[in-house]
Amino acid sequence: GENVEQHPSTLSVQEGDSAVIKCTYSDSASNYFPWYKQELGKGPQLIIDIRSNVGEKKDQRIAVTLNKTAKHFSLHITETQPEDSAVYFCAASGGSGATNKLIFGTGTLLAVQP
Amino acid sequence: EAQVTQNPRYLITVTGKKLTVTCSQNMNHEYMSWYRQDPGLGLRQIYYSMNVEVTDKGDVPEGYKVSRKEKRNFPLILESPSPNQTSLYFCASSLASTGTDTQYFGPGTRLTVL
Repeated sequence: GENVEQHPSTLSVQEGDSAVIKCTYSDSASNYFPWYKQELGKGPQLIIDIRSNVGEKKDQRIAVTLNKTAKHFSLHITETQPEDSAVYFCAASGGSGATNKLIFGTGTLLAVQP
Repeated sequence: EAQVTQNPRYLITVTGKKLTVTCSQNMNHEYMSWYRQDPGLGLRQIYYSMNVEVTDKGDVPEGYKVSRKEKRNFPLILESPSPNQTSLYFCASSLASTGTDTQYFGPGTRLTVL
């Protein structure tokens, strides 16, 4: 079945710097790749997603890139702010063994130092 | 307010005592799902439902049951809880029956099985 690996597990950056989180997936048939942000004590919340027919998507300070050939996708946060501190999860869906399942990575704890 | 609600938020129980965690959404979503979150393992899908009376196993279904008798409700049942089911549980819903769009998560239920 689908397997999603996420790196790094922790990331500390200075306010204003950029942060990059990377994920790889195993099932080449996967076609939907969302990113979720989880703040302390809350449920995950979608921040951006990308489908396999697109290579890059941006939303203000957040961007996601997808490389289907290499089977990896990345989250880029520019001009980080303290409120960006949270756990970020990547996920993949739509693969042959996970058509209607959402397979998550293990998460990245991002700390933005003021 | 559009939301996913879960009850209870916190539960401490003993091994073997049947329990139910309720989940309800008011967004008329087709897809509902249960996840468990454990340190270092990220979010793992337990069961999902694409429509009323349609349920299917996720990646970690052992020891759990679900039902989808109404569109808005998707309870998680632990017939005989064991300590390895101690975890943080999230219910989620999405509009698309495939689950491949924004999933809205509930606030979580922290379960401890002694």
